[in-house]
Amino acid sequence: DTGVSQDPRHKITKRGQNVTFRCDPISEHNRLYWYRQTLGQGPEFLTYFQNEAQLEKSRLLSDRFSAERPKGSFSTLEIQRTEQGDSAMYLCASSFGGVEGTDTQYFGPGTRLTVL
Amino acid sequence: AQSVTQPDIHITVSEGASLELRCNYSYGATPYLFWYVQSPGQGLQLLLKYFSGDTLVQGIKGFEAEFKRSQSSFNLRKPSVHWSDAAEYFCAVGVSDKVIFGPGTSLSVIP
Repeated sequence: DTGVSQDPRHKITKRGQNVTFRCDPISEHNRLYWYRQTLGQGPEFLTYFQNEAQLEKSRLLSDRFSAERPKGSFSTLEIQRTEQGDSAMYLCASSFGGVEGTDTQYFGPGTRLTVL
Repeated sequence: AQSVTQPDIHITVSEGASLELRCNYSYGATPYLFWYVQSPGQGLQLLLKYFSGDTLVQGIKGFEAEFKRSQSSFNLRKPSVHWSDAAEYFCAVGVSDKVIFGPGTSLSVIP
């Protein structure tokens, strides 16, 4: 068990550019989550996958955001036409989803995005 | 709507003193409750969780939390704080397949 990994750890970009982040979950986990965390706040849910299916998206996830998990393993989060308000820490988490209820999520170190 | 409140934005304690971080939640059904800790530049680490059963839950690093349904609370405690405990602490509630986090409490430890 190597834990959840995220790449890159830091990204600085100019307003209007596209960025893509990658998350590799714990290998046996079937659920993968994306969160956004701004300074002084708790993480906010963005979206999650069960295997390759995207099951829910928050209204925080505007049309400029898209997430994929094509083979049910790693996931990517893309932000198009970045805005300064997108500057935040993007956290990925994974879990082994059970039949019902909320399972324990394990978090990666995050990708810190700065939009200039 | 489901929510989590952490009334204390920032707490300072002396090393060796006891600690209690408060958490209140709003959720209609039986909650799944979590405490996570985040150190600077680090990801979130799970301290403990409550799903059912004994309302006093033991976690890692000497932390414990008590679920009180009547007060909708899940306070985190530690009998003796170490300087390495300085971090941001997040209480969270599981709702369906999502986790809703509180705003966090920042803990400073005075040597």
